[in-house]
Amino acid sequence: DVKVTQSSRYLVKRTGEKVFLECVQDMDHENMFWYRQDPGLGLRLIYFSYDVKMKEKGDIPEGYSVSREKKERFSLILESASTNQTSMYLCASSPQMTATNEKLFFGSGTQLSVL
Amino acid sequence: QKEVEQNSGPLSVPEGAIASLNCTYSDRGSQSFFWYRQYSGKSPELIMSIYSNGDKEDGRFTAQLNKASQYVSLLIRDSQPSDSATYLCAVNSGGGADGLTFGKGTHLIIQP
Repeated sequence: DVKVTQSSRYLVKRTGEKVFLECVQDMDHENMFWYRQDPGLGLRLIYFSYDVKMKEKGDIPEGYSVSREKKERFSLILESASTNQTSMYLCASSPQMTATNEKLFFGSGTQLSVL
Repeated sequence: QKEVEQNSGPLSVPEGAIASLNCTYSDRGSQSFFWYRQYSGKSPELIMSIYSNGDKEDGRFTAQLNKASQYVSLLIRDSQPSDSATYLCAVNSGGGADGLTFGKGTHLIIQP
């Protein structure tokens, strides 16, 4: 079974702190994604990566950056956390995709609270 | 901007009945369509995918796609209390690695 592991289930940080959210997948998937999920807003794509050291902005990249130094690991970085970044963060991965093969496997999520 | 619309619900269905979940999308070039189920406090899991017009059946689940109307639906037959969850419609517009656009989800409640 595909396993996508997020390092923390719950995280509490203070405004202005630098925050790292880590995600590791064990299926040699090319593509990795970071989403945030908020009540009433659904899942929104922050950043994605289709290869090591490659990154692309999603729909809401402001205030975030990412790092992918190794194929299996994709990190989301909040340079200076703000209260409006309180959210559930979901990491996902998928194998190399074609137009008819795009299946995301999600991690269990990190609930981040910024105080 | 790509949009995927779903009725947020809650949609309440008696046990044993058919639950019908609907989704519309804005990008006419969309090529692949997915239904994810998300239990409260859990992450989404893929339950159905559909790529061409018509129906696709998998056990109690049937996905229906109508590209001309930009409409995709999910039918759940013989609904069970364990089907109570939020169902997310997701759309990919062009293949490749740019991720999926998700609807906000429909909260389904199966009443015993």
